[in-house]
Amino acid sequence: DGGITQSPKYLFRKEGQNVTLSCEQNLNHDAMYWYRQDPGQGLRLIYYSQIVNDFQKGDIAEGYSVSREKKESFPLTVTSAQKNPTAFYLCASSFSSGRMNEQFFGPGTRLTVL
Amino acid sequence: AQKITQTQPGMFVQEKEAVTLDCTYDTSDQSYGLFWYKQPSSGEMIFLIYQGSYDEQNATEGRYSLNFQKARKSANLVISASQLGDSAMYFCAMTKAKHRGSTLGRLYFGRGTQLTVWP
Repeated sequence: DGGITQSPKYLFRKEGQNVTLSCEQNLNHDAMYWYRQDPGQGLRLIYYSQIVNDFQKGDIAEGYSVSREKKESFPLTVTSAQKNPTAFYLCASSFSSGRMNEQFFGPGTRLTVL
Repeated sequence: AQKITQTQPGMFVQEKEAVTLDCTYDTSDQSYGLFWYKQPSSGEMIFLIYQGSYDEQNATEGRYSLNFQKARKSANLVISASQLGDSAMYFCAMTKAKHRGSTLGRLYFGRGTQLTVWP
């Protein structure tokens, strides 16, 4: 079955530690995205990538880093520079060409900083 | 920049009734796409329906329809015959589009509307 997987589902981190969230897709999508969701808020874009080895900052990129070495994978690192990292993180992917290009989302990772 | 506004933090509807969730948007682009997503309490985002700015007909997908009023810049979601399983958070989102062509990637989301369906 095709889809997007994110791991882990729940993640706990001590202050000052970097942590990497995994996102893998087998939908053959060109583009991948990372969003952050805080309680009562919509989704805000952190980073996105439309092609391998290239990515762009979104609206709230400070304190985060990404890589796109393979088409299927788009890991997100939350660094110690991110002041308020506790949130729900959603990864998505889509085709880049075509009429609609709806984004398909993974199940999310809930990060809690202790 | 694109902006999405959802003014209803919460909505309640009785089972089998219809409900309309409001969405207004702001953009200076002529070509854009509008999406609705559903987010159950489990957290995953489920795509419901899409409307292109140049589509002449309002989009429909089963019990979901989109009331698109371009001049008013509104894209309200109508859910007919509500079911208990429709209880969830609903997000309106938009993206830029090439002229009458494909959408260009990143989505701009509203804050969402929490829908509760009661028996």
